[in-house]
Amino acid sequence: GAGVSQTPSNKVTEKGKYVELRCDPISGHTALYWYRQSLGQGPEFLIYFQGTGAADDSGLPNDRFFAVRPEGSVSTLKIQRTERGDSAVYLCASSPRGESRNTEAFFGQGTRLTVV
Amino acid sequence: AQTVTQSQPEMSVQEAETVTLSCTYDTSESNYYLFWYKQPPSRQMILVIRQEAYKQQNATENRFSVNFQKAAKSFSLKISDSQLGDTAMYFCALRRNQGGKLIFGQGTELSVKP
Repeated sequence: GAGVSQTPSNKVTEKGKYVELRCDPISGHTALYWYRQSLGQGPEFLIYFQGTGAADDSGLPNDRFFAVRPEGSVSTLKIQRTERGDSAVYLCASSPRGESRNTEAFFGQGTRLTVV
Repeated sequence: AQTVTQSQPEMSVQEAETVTLSCTYDTSESNYYLFWYKQPPSRQMILVIRQEAYKQQNATENRFSVNFQKAAKSFSLKISDSQLGDTAMYFCALRRNQGGKLIFGQGTELSVKP
């Protein structure tokens, strides 16, 4: 596609429920990133994929958070047993190459997750 | 550990005037990239300008320029001839030279007033 697409745009879920957030990167981009942006804060890194594998998952806060990218394109961020503290905007970004000097990351418009 | 600090939560400027947003950072790497991103209400992060740490010359992009002071670990953004469309959150970010994750500051909310 022309840009990074994230769906849904907004998601409201009840505490304790399971949610999936989807990211469609720019076609051909091998690197994909997930960030979490809490209200009034800058984005915080969650996980980075190079192709199908997670090259860096050091930002995942706990084992309730999991992400996959099975075919090296679309990625899904999965959150189990959601808590009110998980409420945030979840941003996805992609770049042509992850480990390169001249890499620029292109961001989607994010998914606003609200846990009630 | 890498950190980025933006000490100005909010700034305002009159249309057509100049404003400077501050950013300081800390990293143990000798080569890295610095970025300024704009985030309008649409939530999409838009790259404004970037600076390679090994380049001494300050980057410029039309009305946007930076003052990069490597020894002081300072990276400020100057917006000249401010326009109403510049109203947004601005984030400073750091990335190691070989790519990977971005480390963001807390952001500065800029309002351009008519």
